[in-house]
Amino acid sequence: EVQLVESGGGLVLPGGSLRLSCVASGFTLSGYWMHWVRQAPGRGLEWVAKIKDDGSERNYVDSVKGRFTISRDNAKNSLYLQMNSLRAEDTAVYYCARGGQDWGQGTLVTVSS
Amino acid sequence: DVLMTQSPLSLPVTLGQPASISCRSSQSLVCSDGNTCLNWFQQRPGQSPRRLIYRVSTRDSGVPDRFSGSGSGTDFTLKISRVEAEDVGVYYCMQYTHWPYTFGQGTKLEIK
Repeated sequence: EVQLVESGGGLVLPGGSLRLSCVASGFTLSGYWMHWVRQAPGRGLEWVAKIKDDGSERNYVDSVKGRFTISRDNAKNSLYLQMNSLRAEDTAVYYCARGGQDWGQGTLVTVSS
Repeated sequence: DVLMTQSPLSLPVTLGQPASISCRSSQSLVCSDGNTCLNWFQQRPGQSPRRLIYRVSTRDSGVPDRFSGSGSGTDFTLKISRVEAEDVGVYYCMQYTHWPYTFGQGTKLEIK
């Protein structure tokens, strides 16, 4: 059974940093593009970033470019999202996803003073 | 960015009746491989999104056959032939032809 388990969310001050992690099980991470998608409270979905199976290509939505970095460690079957210079508008549940098919339960990031 | 426009945004439906959601994209969603890269997701209250349909009309494993997708180019439709109580939630269309991938605003389905 495919499982994706996110962690690392929490309350952070504006301008602060957080690192999200996603551990995959039930499949080999190295065979897939992986993604981060977020959902602000009571709002719709926004695709944040994606990374190629070998890590050689990464793409970001404009609103996070230069602040967020997606990475992976295939040996640890893990995906990461380093988030710097956080803003109130980054407050959201962050989901790890394998393509569109498999999603984690999400981890809540709250940026507030 | 590709704008995805859904209608209606609110959809009250009587149990056992059909439901239909429209999704229009601001650009063609034909991918480089010739497929059309359009997904439909369901998000039940308090849950993560679940993909129902990919490439316009292919149902994911375990998705009831009362769900169907159709369309081409820039106009797409999700239909539920007979709504059941478990179908309550928000439905999103999503394109993955152009980066950044984008979602529609969501259609909230509720039981009348």
